[in-house]
Amino acid sequence: GDSVTQMEGPVTLSEEAFLTINCTYTATGYPSLFWYVQYPGEGLQLLLKATKADDKGSNKGFEATYRKETTSFHLEKGSVQVSDSAVYFCALMRSGAGSYQLTFGKGTKLSVIP
Amino acid sequence: DAGVTQSPTHLIKTRGQQVTLRCSPKSGHDTVSWYQQALGQGPQFIFQYYEEEERQRGNFPDRFSGHQFPNYSSELNVNALLLGDSALYLCASSLRGQGKGPQETQYFGPGTRLLVL
Repeated sequence: GDSVTQMEGPVTLSEEAFLTINCTYTATGYPSLFWYVQYPGEGLQLLLKATKADDKGSNKGFEATYRKETTSFHLEKGSVQVSDSAVYFCALMRSGAGSYQLTFGKGTKLSVIP
Repeated sequence: DAGVTQSPTHLIKTRGQQVTLRCSPKSGHDTVSWYQQALGQGPQFIFQYYEEEERQRGNFPDRFSGHQFPNYSSELNVNALLLGDSALYLCASSLRGQGKGPQETQYFGPGTRLLVL
C-alpha cells in the first residue's frame, strides 16, 4: 500500500539556519505530493504541493521538488524563523479512479530557537 | 470567505458512549473527508463523503459512521467508544466537481479533540 516516510524529529535549529526535512514515498502510479504544517493546538494548513515529476512547490520561503527517480519530496527553507516552529507533515494523494484520500507521514517537529 | 469549521472543539466521553462530531466545509466545496490523528502521529483517513454518499473508506471499523447533508456539511459518529478512540478528529473539504481528479487539494479544519475516559 501507499506510505510516506519522514525523517525522525524533533529538529532544533537556530534562527536563520537552513532547513531540510526529508520525505520519501511509496505509491503506485503518479501521486500528487503535499506538505502540510500544524501549529500547536491547530489543524493542518497546506504549505505547498506538486502534482507531477520535477514540479517545484513553493510558499512562504519553503520549497520542495517532486523527484520521481528517488521517490522524494524534501522540504527546504533557506533561513528559518522562530515562527516556523511547528510540526510538518508530508503527504501523498495517489492517482487513479476514486482515490482521493491523503496518506500522511508521521510528522517532523521543528523547533527554531532565537 | 469562511474556512472549514468543526464543532465541538473539545469533548470528553466515557467508554461505551457514542459521540457525534460536526463539520462545515469551506464555502464552495462539495466533498468532506474525515481523519483521525492520534497523539504524535500523522492523520489517518477514515472516510470521504460526496453527494451525500460514502465514497471511500479507510481501515476503520463499522463503529465509525458518517453522514453528509444537502448543504455539504457532515457528521462523524463513533459508537461504543474505546480508550483508543482518543484523538484529534480532523475534517477536510475539497471541490471534487473541479474535475481535476485526485490532484484536488484538501483544506483542513481546526479539529475536535476527543478524550475517552
